[in-house]
Amino acid sequence: GNSVTQMEGPVTLSEEAFLTINCTYTATGYPSLFWYVQYPGEGLQLLLKATKADDKGSNKGFEATYRKETTSFHLEKGSVQVSDSAVYFCALRKSSASKIIFGSGTRLSIRP
Amino acid sequence: DVKVTQSSRYLVKRTGEKVFLECVQDMDHENMFWYRQDPGLGLRLIYFSYDVKMKEKGDIPEGYSVSREKKERFSLILESASTNQTSMYLCASSLQGRARTLQPQHFGDGTRLSIL
Repeated sequence: GNSVTQMEGPVTLSEEAFLTINCTYTATGYPSLFWYVQYPGEGLQLLLKATKADDKGSNKGFEATYRKETTSFHLEKGSVQVSDSAVYFCALRKSSASKIIFGSGTRLSIRP
Repeated sequence: DVKVTQSSRYLVKRTGEKVFLECVQDMDHENMFWYRQDPGLGLRLIYFSYDVKMKEKGDIPEGYSVSREKKERFSLILESASTNQTSMYLCASSLQGRARTLQPQHFGDGTRLSIL
């Protein structure tokens, strides 16, 4: 079946460190891929998306590239800030379904 | 910007009560969803709807029902609330979209429900 696997948290980094949160997926066809962010006490917000192989989604300094050969969509940021502390969810949507499949989430904490 | 509005941020109810959680979206989206979010379990889909009066069970529908009488509104109903339904409930909506231009879901801020 379709699934999303992302790295276990929590991830703790110092401010200005480089961030990678790994995400791999299992799906047939051409799913769209998303990263969502959830700040404390809030709902999920779409961070970035990619709809086809080799697409790069980017927003707020975050980037992720749709790699079909490795079925991955890793989230990266060159220099994290305290305000990036949140839970990050990787997700996919299959072409033939309305549902989105979410990973289990990765909690990120940034130390000043 | 898409706006998904959940009627309450915090709600406290008693065991056995019938509880209604309301969600409204303002972008004419066909699809609407209800999730619950619990520590260590991520997001779990309860029910979703792809059209007015249409509904489909998600992964954990037991103890819940839904209603979609109008396109913009999707209600989650706890028929007889129990303590194990204490959770954060998230509503979301999305366009149907065409293949290869699939649209993301847009979320409300969540309702933190406590059943005493």
